[in-house]
Amino acid sequence: DIVMTQSPDSLAVSLGERATINCKSSQSVLYSSNNRNYLAWYQQKPGQPPKLLIYWASTRDSGVPDRFSGSGSGTDFTLTISSLQAEDVAVYYCQQYYSTPLTFGGGTKVEIK
Amino acid sequence: EVQLVESGGGLVQPGGSLRVSCEASGFTFSSYWMTWVRQAPGKGLEWVANIKQDGSEKYYVDSVKGRFTISRDNAKNSLYLQMNSLRAEDTAVYYCARDSVGGSYLPLWGQGTLVTVSS
Repeated sequence: DIVMTQSPDSLAVSLGERATINCKSSQSVLYSSNNRNYLAWYQQKPGQPPKLLIYWASTRDSGVPDRFSGSGSGTDFTLTISSLQAEDVAVYYCQQYYSTPLTFGGGTKVEIK
Repeated sequence: EVQLVESGGGLVQPGGSLRVSCEASGFTFSSYWMTWVRQAPGKGLEWVANIKQDGSEKYYVDSVKGRFTISRDNAKNSLYLQMNSLRAEDTAVYYCARDSVGGSYLPLWGQGTLVTVSS
């Protein structure tokens, strides 16, 4: 199984500042035949289901604000919120869909400083 | 409206059984892989199982193999998870989710149904 490790577990960022979340996979999730990274990011607010933000490591889902961006390849990935807004307070998860069982990172809680 | 609505959660004793359901609407259900993901209280997300469009392929996380069965009825636009031999550690909100056409990331989720395993 591919283990997904997120860091930090939590972070507090001032409004308008940058938030950076890291995700590391125990093996590469880059599929060489199509050069795609099978990595997604989700946002979950309290009492709500997760919401897809990013797929293929860097493609924003429809309607996701452009302050959210994903980067990385192979085993190391980053979700960046360029200018934190109050509505971005949530837990963020990475997920690999390279192989079953599909696995999620442990989550990173983002709060306002 | 494109949506997934889960039902069937509740309180069940250890060793008992429960079936949760997910009704899809607003899209062609039979065209998509479907997935169950669970979340224990205050914990992270855990992928449980998924099923191919025609039901011919099914995959499970090791912790539920032999106890849980995923199935679907495309005529009823419905996804199911039959859970047997339930344990306290199966207590969670169970979400149904639709896969993308291009890969198993999950663009559409239901609101979830809570399953509590306790005596």
